[in-house]
Amino acid sequence: NAGVTQTPKFQVLKTGQSMTLQCAQDMNHNSMYWYRQDPGMGLRLIYYSASEGTTDKGEVPNGYNVSRLNKREFSLRLESAAPSQTSVYFCASSEYRRDRAQETQYFGPGTRLLVL
Amino acid sequence: GNSVTQMEGPVTLSEEAFLTINCTYTATGYPSLFWYVQYPGEGLQLLLKATKADDKGSNKGFEATYRKETTSFHLEKGSVQVSDSAVYFCARGFQKLVFGTGTRLLVSP
Repeated sequence: NAGVTQTPKFQVLKTGQSMTLQCAQDMNHNSMYWYRQDPGMGLRLIYYSASEGTTDKGEVPNGYNVSRLNKREFSLRLESAAPSQTSVYFCASSEYRRDRAQETQYFGPGTRLLVL
Repeated sequence: GNSVTQMEGPVTLSEEAFLTINCTYTATGYPSLFWYVQYPGEGLQLLLKATKADDKGSNKGFEATYRKETTSFHLEKGSVQVSDSAVYFCARGFQKLVFGTGTRLLVSP
């Protein structure tokens, strides 16, 4: 069981370039998430997918798009990268529970992105 | 609004000292509360959680109690180790978690 995996681990982009961050989970979880982590700000939710075929905006969705490719995979795309998107990006997943309070999110190791 | 406030770090302690990291939250209703830990270069790992008032979450010697009356979920450990050095995040919610800014803990031998 690899859990939640993310690729790449590190990426440098120039302003205006595009790229896709990949995330996969092997725990058969229904829900998947993308967060960004910035110094002094904790983690902020970008987008999430409650189940295969659905996606919803989180707190900071501007400048990003997502695709829930299948139950395992959830990608995050930057169409035109900006220096403000320099951050560490974390993917997470959780299993559906009837009692939503019992859900726990499991995180990947992160992707460090630098936009010049 | 919905937010989570943690004490600023770094918190610097000697091995075997007592640890408290404060966390308070605002929310409508009664969200689940979590402590996550992030070791250097790694993602977040769930440390403990509590899902209703007066619940106590515990793991690896760490404890936190869901206090509805003070809207708090302070993290405590009776005797820290060097290996506990990490960043600790308090979080609240269902699905759409709201995180605090994190508190760095440094434990020296």
